[in-house]
Amino acid sequence: EDKVVQSPLSLVVHEGDTVTLNCSYEVTNFRSLLWYKQEKKAPTFLFMLTSSGIEKKSGRLSSILDKKELSSILNITATQTGDSAIYLCAVEALYGQNFVFGPGTRLSVLP
Amino acid sequence: GAVVSQHPSRVICKSGTSVKIECRSLDFQATTMFWYRQFPKKSLMLMATSNEGSKATYEQGVEKDKFLINHASLTLSTLTVTSAHPEDSSFYICSARAGDEKLFFGSGTQLSVL
Repeated sequence: EDKVVQSPLSLVVHEGDTVTLNCSYEVTNFRSLLWYKQEKKAPTFLFMLTSSGIEKKSGRLSSILDKKELSSILNITATQTGDSAIYLCAVEALYGQNFVFGPGTRLSVLP
Repeated sequence: GAVVSQHPSRVICKSGTSVKIECRSLDFQATTMFWYRQFPKKSLMLMATSNEGSKATYEQGVEKDKFLINHASLTLSTLTVTSAHPEDSSFYICSARAGDEKLFFGSGTQLSVL
């Protein structure tokens, strides 16, 4: 059965801290892994990763995929209170079930 | 963990026909379900919020007569794309909110309108 696991499920840090969120997956016919930031309405797309070992970066956020380990990490440096959200990891499959979402990591950044 | 089942996973239809997509929470009751449409570059747009027993709340720009949403029970919400046209071809995803406020997503439906 396809599944995506995220850790930690919840994290509380202070502004300025660096955090690393983890996502591991077991999916048949892997196509890509996506990271989203969920605040109020629809999840906001952050990154799509298809190739192993290539870091994607956007401002203070970066992510990398390790296909050998079937995992990905999302790093946020110099966290701000506006980073408080649920971060979702989703894996896209080629066939059958299209998307498998992880449970999310709830990040709280305190001032 | 909680499971949200979405069917069908893929559908191909002719222009002018209607398509129904189902979203079911399998092991929890979901008073609120959400419907999204995925756009290029994988961004998700919220289309509507569906509350059990009441009318759905549509986001600005989403045609309520075009995208009919029914939340008949605490475990089932349906999205019907009426008189589908090629521009409606997209990937549609639902999510359901559990009692602890966590969101669980369906696996999505790829709609192709010929």
